[in-house]
Amino acid sequence: EAQVTQNPRYLITVTGKKLTVTCSQNMNHEYMSWYRQDPGLGLRQIYYSMNVEVTDKGDVPEGYKVSRKEKRNFPLILESPSPNQTSLYFCASKGLAGQRSEQFFGPGTRLTVL
Amino acid sequence: GEDVEQSLFLSVREGDSSVINCTYTDSSSTYLYWYKQEPGAGLQLLTYIFSNMDMKQDQRLTVLLNKKDKHLSLRIADTQTGDSAIYFCAESMEGNEKLTFGTGTRLTIIP
Repeated sequence: EAQVTQNPRYLITVTGKKLTVTCSQNMNHEYMSWYRQDPGLGLRQIYYSMNVEVTDKGDVPEGYKVSRKEKRNFPLILESPSPNQTSLYFCASKGLAGQRSEQFFGPGTRLTVL
Repeated sequence: GEDVEQSLFLSVREGDSSVINCTYTDSSSTYLYWYKQEPGAGLQLLTYIFSNMDMKQDQRLTVLLNKKDKHLSLRIADTQTGDSAIYFCAESMEGNEKLTFGTGTRLTIIP
């Protein structure tokens, strides 16, 4: 089944404790992206990647890092989480070849930073 | 810059039509989308429309685009309890994969 998976789905942590949220897709998509969803703000893009070893900042990159060592994986790293990073995070992927295709979203990771 | 706006809440009686509205500011938007988010789930693409179209219909869903007013709407006919969700409109431009989302409209169905 074609899908985007994220782990963990739920995470409660404390300020300053480094964490990684993994994202994996099995559709051989070139493009991958991370968004955060906050009430009244919709989804905002954090980082994106057009292909392996190619990453770039989105609208709200502060406090986050990403890497794209393999095509299927796009982990989101919070080196020193703070309470304002409490949010719902979504990973998405999309193929870039051929006609316009949709972005597929993962199920989300709910992060609470105390 | 890009800005996409939606009302936060909408309540509709079961069987009636729901109309969810969205306005955007970027006139260079090429594609406009409607996503559905059910509780605890990711986003599901419902439909999208090219900016050179006025209307698109897909079963119970009708999308209307008024490019002059930068207004997009999603009409759901015969609204059912399974339509309860948050609906997001989003835009993107040709050559740019980034989606700019609205705030989302929470649709509640009244039995």
